[in-house]
Amino acid sequence: DTGVSQDPRHKITKRGQNVTFRCDPISEHNRLYWYRQTLGQGPEFLTYFQNEAQLEKSRLLSDRFSAERPKGSFSTLEIQRTEQGDSAMYLCASSFSSGGNYEQYFGPGTRLTVT
Amino acid sequence: AQTVTQSQPEMSVQEAETVTLSCTYDTSESDYYLFWYKQPPSRQMILVIRQEAYKQQNATENRFSVNFQKAAKSFSLKISDSQLGDAAMYFCALNSGNTPLVFGKGTRLSVIA
Repeated sequence: DTGVSQDPRHKITKRGQNVTFRCDPISEHNRLYWYRQTLGQGPEFLTYFQNEAQLEKSRLLSDRFSAERPKGSFSTLEIQRTEQGDSAMYLCASSFSSGGNYEQYFGPGTRLTVT
Repeated sequence: AQTVTQSQPEMSVQEAETVTLSCTYDTSESDYYLFWYKQPPSRQMILVIRQEAYKQQNATENRFSVNFQKAAKSFSLKISDSQLGDAAMYFCALNSGNTPLVFGKGTRLSVIA
């Protein structure tokens, strides 16, 4: 069990550019969550998947954001036409959807800076 | 909607002493789960302790324990025998089982040697 990994760890981009982040969950976990955390705040939910199905999207997830989990394993989060307000830490978490232990395991996050 | 409120932005504690972090929440669900997560500086978030709302007994994990007051919708975290490694942001969180977490704004804990 190697834990949840995220790539890249840091991304600096210019306003208007597109960026894509990747999350690799713990292998047997079928649920995958994306959160966004701005400085001094707690994480806020963006979207989540069960296997390849996207179950819910937050109203925080504007049309410029899209997430996929094509084979029910890794997931990508793309932000198009980035804005300075998109600067944040993007966290991925995974869990197993049965058995009563619903602990979400978090990755190290991708810190996005939009200049 | 579920909400979580942490009213202490910062706390400090002397090494080996005890500190309590406060959390209140609101939910209309009858079945829910409460968590305390620790986020050390520049490191990933880890689960400290969790409490199922249907359980009356307060959860404990080594030096960490909670005071769960269901009627008051209060869920505080007590850290005993504080250690330097306990210094971190602590987030209280809530969900309805296998659903997205709702987090509070966090409490920054400093441990003084």
